[in-house]
Amino acid sequence: KNEVEQSPQNLTAQEGEFITINCSYSVGISALHWLQQHPGGGIVSLFMLSSGKKKHGRLIATINIQEKHSSLHITASHPRDSAVYICAVYGGSQGNLIFGKGTKLSVKP
Amino acid sequence: NAGVTQTPKFQVLKTGQSMTLQCAQDMNHEYMSWYRQDPGMGLRLIHYSVGAGITDQGEVPNGYNVSRSTTEDFPLRLLSAAPSQTSVYFCASSRDFSGGYTFGSGTRLTVV
Repeated sequence: KNEVEQSPQNLTAQEGEFITINCSYSVGISALHWLQQHPGGGIVSLFMLSSGKKKHGRLIATINIQEKHSSLHITASHPRDSAVYICAVYGGSQGNLIFGKGTKLSVKP
Repeated sequence: NAGVTQTPKFQVLKTGQSMTLQCAQDMNHEYMSWYRQDPGMGLRLIHYSVGAGITDQGEVPNGYNVSRSTTEDFPLRLLSAAPSQTSVYFCASSRDFSGGYTFGSGTRLTVV
């Protein structure tokens, strides 16, 4: 069983739609990261959170520590949001990040 | 610009050849790590370092060596390349284990 599960694996949306990507984890953590990987391959850190909610522009990340669940929301989605979104938790046995397999988002104009 | 510089971007190796993937950061981060990304799998940790002179193995260390002689540099060496090492490799750094991570742009390696 994967320690970090993301859903859905693939998501296609129309421009302007509200998008939610989910992440569930089974290990105890001190922090959860949301990353964005562009079609060109580069990885950018979007959020790091250990409780509550964070907002940056049209992106909102929430975490529920008790339920071991986090969500990434994108409001008013745009084609430039098309990317792979990766959830990662800090809690590995080597003190490392454990990554989900990613959610591939495609936003159509 | 501050960040993580990873070279080369692309490389093709023959089975049995060796090579070094370079990684340098200018943010004075103590923690550096190498990951590989394969289709259908999440990034997996190869080796990591918590500071100059200190390295340790991650989840998939076999076939790779690292060293950390300075805070800035963390090269990854493939000792004898195998087709199973065909992958995309990312270097990352952060202030500490749980801090915000900065990733390099990746190296796409093909071993034939």
